Amino acid sequence: SQQGEEDPQALSIQEGENATMNCSYKTSINNLQWYRQNSGRGLVHLILIRSNEREKHSGRLRVTLDTSKKSSSLLITASRAADTASYFCGLYGGSQGNLIFGKGTKLSVKP
Amino acid sequence: DTAVSQTPKYLVTQMGNDKSIKCEQNLGHDTMYWYKQDSKKFLKIMFSYNNKELIINETVPNRFSPKSPDKAHLNLHINSLELGDSAVYFCASNLQGINEQFFGPGTRLTVL
Repeated sequence: SQQGEEDPQALSIQEGENATMNCSYKTSINNLQWYRQNSGRGLVHLILIRSNEREKHSGRLRVTLDTSKKSSSLLITASRAADTASYFCGLYGGSQGNLIFGKGTKLSVKP
Repeated sequence: DTAVSQTPKYLVTQMGNDKSIKCEQNLGHDTMYWYKQDSKKFLKIMFSYNNKELIINETVPNRFSPKSPDKAHLNLHINSLELGDSAVYFCASNLQGINEQFFGPGTRLTVL
């Protein structure tokens, strides 16, 4: 299926450390998006990377995309306790406009 | 506030009942979605509407019937609720061609 697979499922780090999450997928995509979900809340869009892009930055976030390996990574630098959340990759394949999500990576940043 | 809003936030009901969840967005978007997030946090698309017309209808039981009275609203009616319908339901919206989606806060449905 087109579903993205985030890895690891859970990640626990100390404040100030970097956090890296990965997303792998199986079919071709138009773009890949990363979202954050705080406990009990809806998803919030973080960053979008198109299939012809390799790397994008937004503040402390860095996203890479390797279409040959069908994988993406999200790096959060200098993590803060407020970064504690679940992170999802959403795959956008084309005409219908819907996103396909994986099960997410649950990040815990300890103060 | 500009946002995607959902009501109710929590819904507890008995098996067999019929219930509705409402969604409204004041972002001027033309496309709206319903997603279901199960207990394992897996988020799955259910329906998508563009300009009040159904675009996506994933493999969802026909007990679920979305209704879009206008571009700003997409409601979800569920008949004959079952235990397996317990989940968090999220509404989202965007502008067609602009891929970023804006999500509502979710409705936690518990079927007893």
